[in-house]
Amino acid sequence: DAKTTQPPSMDCAEGRAANLPCNHSTISGNEYVYWYRQIHSQGPQYIIHGLKNNETNEMASLIITEDRKSSTLILPHATLRDTAVYYCIVEGWGGYQKVTFGTGTKLQVIP
Amino acid sequence: NAGVTQTPKFQVLKTGQSMTLQCAQDMNHEYMSWYRQDPGMGLRLIHYSVGAGITDQGEVPNGYNVSRSTTEDFPLRLLSAAPSQTSVYFCASSYSGGASAFFGQGTRLTVV
Repeated sequence: DAKTTQPPSMDCAEGRAANLPCNHSTISGNEYVYWYRQIHSQGPQYIIHGLKNNETNEMASLIITEDRKSSTLILPHATLRDTAVYYCIVEGWGGYQKVTFGTGTKLQVIP
Repeated sequence: NAGVTQTPKFQVLKTGQSMTLQCAQDMNHEYMSWYRQDPGMGLRLIHYSVGAGITDQGEVPNGYNVSRSTTEDFPLRLLSAAPSQTSVYFCASSYSGGASAFFGQGTRLTVV
């Protein structure tokens, strides 16, 4: 069973904020939310991760709801280079690294 | 700093041939993984390793072997290539079980 649910595609106007949602209603207490993206056919690129607090880095912000059952990745000022498939992943810390990817959200940034 | 390096970038095999996809990382990461990605699909885990001498199966291990004799290298062996193994293969590494993973640029394999 998939741990996360994401919309298959989204559009965003260039310069506007892109808000990508992710549902993870079965997340457990020790599991983190990770976001990666894959531009064209390149290898996936790590964006950000969080446990329960909101996080921000130079690429994006991650907003996790209080019950941790959903999250939103925010790209504050989307550019054409942000066009990619975005993957939301739930994994535990420690133990084996077995990051499992679903089909993600295809974000198209429109000029 | 090269990160995760995969070779070759492209490969065409005939059915039944064997080959090894190479993956090397220079970040002293303990964790390494191999994934395959078929058209229009997400990445599926083939094998992973949590350190030198330790490997385990992922979601789709059949037809593939791995070994981890050093921290730096994690080769993926196709024993007898089949057209169903036509895919893009990605190698990844991370320094711990929950850390962010670094991915290579992929090997595009076609089996005819």
